[in-house]
Amino acid sequence: EDQVTQSPEALRLQEGESSSLNCSYTVSGLRGLFWYRQDPGKGPEFLFTLYSAGEEKEKERLKATLTKKESFLHITAPKPEDSATYLCAVQAGRGSTLGRLYFGRGTQLTVWP
Amino acid sequence: DAGVTQSPTHLIKTRGQQVTLRCSPKSGHDTVSWYQQALGQGPQFIFQYYEEEERQRGNFPDRFSGHQFPNYSSELNVNALLLGDSALYLCASSPLDSTYEQYFGPGTRLTVT
Repeated sequence: EDQVTQSPEALRLQEGESSSLNCSYTVSGLRGLFWYRQDPGKGPEFLFTLYSAGEEKEKERLKATLTKKESFLHITAPKPEDSATYLCAVQAGRGSTLGRLYFGRGTQLTVWP
Repeated sequence: DAGVTQSPTHLIKTRGQQVTLRCSPKSGHDTVSWYQQALGQGPQFIFQYYEEEERQRGNFPDRFSGHQFPNYSSELNVNALLLGDSALYLCASSPLDSTYEQYFGPGTRLTVT
């Protein structure tokens, strides 16, 4: 069964204190791994897509990496406005479930000044 | 360029009632997926529509049904509402049958009392 596990569930950082969020996955034939940011009561905002092991993507203070078993979202020198829930999702390559996203429960990040 | 829009923003219903939620996809997108997000959880896939047909379905009962119109907009209908149906309902769209990257709307918050 396709599964996504995110850790930690919650993370509190001081402004400027870099850290990483983890997403481990079990999927038959990974088609893509996605990172989203979600603010309270709002829809997920797309951040990155990673397709194959070794791939890296960067956007401002965020950098996403992918291995065969997990993905990391590295946050460098975070600011309070980076506070949000970060969701990881995978899309399987099998025909029967092609297109659906399997989400983890998310990591709730709080950055305090 | 308008993103994915959903209506209404909030909705309060009583157990046993029926509800219809609406979604307009991002311009140029023709595939619409619906997700349910309970508090503190990641989004769960309900179903996906392409060319006005339900292409995939997650583990949701038949009380959940949908429709896609020729202009690619979509509706989610839920019959015989239960307290457990209270959640944030998210619509996501993707372009031209390329379901790699799905863009989410702001969601509809449904409360069942």
